[in-house]
Amino acid sequence: DVKVTQSSRYLVKRTGEKVFLECVQDMDHENMFWYRQDPGLGLRLIYFSYDVKMKEKGDIPEGYSVSREKKERFSLILESASTNQTSMYLCASSSGTGKNNEQFFGPGTRLTVL
Amino acid sequence: SQQGEEDPQALSIQEGENATMNCSYKTSINNLQWYRQNSGRGLVHLILIRSNEREKHSGRLRVTLDTSKKSSSLLITASRAADTASYFCATDAWGAQKLVFGQGTRLTINP
Repeated sequence: DVKVTQSSRYLVKRTGEKVFLECVQDMDHENMFWYRQDPGLGLRLIYFSYDVKMKEKGDIPEGYSVSREKKERFSLILESASTNQTSMYLCASSSGTGKNNEQFFGPGTRLTVL
Repeated sequence: SQQGEEDPQALSIQEGENATMNCSYKTSINNLQWYRQNSGRGLVHLILIRSNEREKHSGRLRVTLDTSKKSSSLLITASRAADTASYFCATDAWGAQKLVFGQGTRLTINP
């Protein structure tokens, strides 16, 4: 079974702090994704990556950056956390081959910025 | 940009009844997928239907796709308390690896 893990289930940070959210997948997937989920807004794509060192902006990249130095790891970085970045963050991965682009999700990190 | 929109936003039924959720989308798609999310957890893939398919079954799940109306429905038969969750549809454009998710339907099964 595909396993996607996220470094923390719950995280509390202060405004202005630099925050790292880590995601690791164990199925050699090419694609990795970071979403945030807010009530009434569904899942919104922040950034995604098709390959090591490759990244593309999603729908709401402002205030975030990402890093993919190894195929299995995709990090989301909040350079200077703000209260409006309080949210549930979900990481996902998918295979880059074939027509089935099913995504496998991690358990999520609930981030609170005070 | 959100493409899929689920209807209704919330649904509450009795255990044993069937639950139907609908999804509409705006542009041409490669496939449409349905996911389930239990409270506070990540999403789990349920079923994928390709744009050239009209109906697909998986256990108690039945998905239909009408590309002329740009809509899909998810039917859960003989619902159980464990089916209580949020359900999301997701679509992708041809050649795209990223998915666009709707806002979800929150399903509650009452014992």
